[in-house]
Amino acid sequence: AQSVTQLDSHVSVSEGTPVLLRCNYSSSYSPSLFWYVQHPNKGLQLLLKYTSAATLVKGINGFEAEFKKSETSFHLTKPSAHMSDAAEYFCVVIPYSSASKIIFGSGTRLSIRP
Amino acid sequence: NAGVTQTPKFRVLKTGQSMTLLCAQDMNHEYMYWYRQDPGMGLRLIHYSVGEGTTAKGEVPDGYNVSRLKKQNFLLGLESAAPSQTSVYFCASSSRTYEQYFGPGTRLTVT
Repeated sequence: AQSVTQLDSHVSVSEGTPVLLRCNYSSSYSPSLFWYVQHPNKGLQLLLKYTSAATLVKGINGFEAEFKKSETSFHLTKPSAHMSDAAEYFCVVIPYSSASKIIFGSGTRLSIRP
Repeated sequence: NAGVTQTPKFRVLKTGQSMTLLCAQDMNHEYMYWYRQDPGMGLRLIHYSVGEGTTAKGEVPDGYNVSRLKKQNFLLGLESAAPSQTSVYFCASSSRTYEQYFGPGTRLTVT
């Protein structure tokens, strides 16, 4: 079965320090992978997307993610956290490029300490 | 360009009542989706549509029905609401490459 696991439910970092949000997936085929961000009481916004063109994907707001097939991981990083990055982050897997198989991770809440 | 809009933003229902949530998008997207979001569970796909006049079941379709009579609209219906349907509902749309654009959500409480 296809699945996605966000390894941390909550991550707290200091402003100006690096951010690492971890995501592992299982999929029989090369999937499409996404990261979304949700600020409090808002809808979700696409941060970035992987679709096999390049293993390192750059997104909005300085975020990037690296696809590692051997580790079945798609971790999200940012070199320097900003207070405005405080939000919930979701890793999403779409195996087989099928809408019926869209799988959301349970989310990681990112807190930023001043 | 409003993107994806949802109506209403909040609703309280009594058990057994019915209601319809409306989603509209102005990006000419083929695909539309309805999700529910519950604490600690991420988003779960209820129903989706890959084109006008077509709908299909997602992960948690029971107790919901949908219709897509026009390309820009996707309706989610609850025929007989239950407390287990208390949730935040999100609509999204995308092209065939699956970059989804989300609405602001509808907070539904069933008492």
